[in-house]
Amino acid sequence: QKEVEQDPGPLSVPEGAIVSLNCTYSNSAFQYFMWYRQYSRKGPELLMYTYSSGNKEDGRFTAQVDKSSKYISLFIRDSQPSDSATYLCAMIISGYSTLTFGKGTMLLVSP
Amino acid sequence: NAGVTQTPKFQVLKTGQSMTLQCAQDMNHNSMYWYRQDPGMGLRLIYYSASEGTTDKGEVPNGYNVSRLNKREFSLRLESAAPSQTSVYFCASTTGDSNYGYTFGSGTRLTVV
Repeated sequence: QKEVEQDPGPLSVPEGAIVSLNCTYSNSAFQYFMWYRQYSRKGPELLMYTYSSGNKEDGRFTAQVDKSSKYISLFIRDSQPSDSATYLCAMIISGYSTLTFGKGTMLLVSP
Repeated sequence: NAGVTQTPKFQVLKTGQSMTLQCAQDMNHNSMYWYRQDPGMGLRLIYYSASEGTTDKGEVPNGYNVSRLNKREFSLRLESAAPSQTSVYFCASTTGDSNYGYTFGSGTRLTVV
C-alpha cells in the first residue's frame, strides 16, 4: 500500500459546480498537508497549506484535514474552466526534509 | 523575482549520451530537490540536498548523479542516458523547515532515443 492514495480521475464537472478532491494516507506521523495545482506542461504550484486537523479557507478553496480518518480534502466552490488542472496532495512529517506526494487528480471544468 | 530556474527546457539525447540539467533558485532556500514525473507514476524523488554541502538519494536515484554547487545551484547529471530516463524533470526548493511548501521550476522535457 502506497503511503498516499489519490484517485487519478479525470474528474469532469460543469462550470459553477462544487468540486471535492481527496487523498487518504497511512502514516499517522504526517503533520503538515498541502495541495498543489499543476497546469498542463507547467510545474506544480502551492495552492493551500494546512497544519493538523480542521479547515482552512482561501477564496473559493477550502482545505480540510481529518487526522483521525487519515483523510484530506480540497473543495473548490463555483468552479471555473481556469481551474482545469491536475491537483496533487502532499504531506510531510515535522523535522523531515522530503514531502510525500499523491499521484494527482486531473480536473476538467467545462464551460 | 525568478524563483526556481531550470535549463534547458527541452532536450533530445541519444542513448548513451550524457548531459547535465541545471537548476538555480534566488530565494535563499536551504533545501533543493530533483523529481521526475511520468504518466501514471506521479512525482518521484531522484535526489535531494537538505542543505548546502549535503546530498541524499531519493526513491529513484539509479542512473543519476547530483552536485550542490553552492546554496543557489543544484545540478542533475545523466552519465549514460537510457530511453527509460525519458521524462519531465522538475527541480524544487524550500526553506528547509518542514512547514513550508516547495517552489517548483517549470521543468525540463527530456527525450532519450
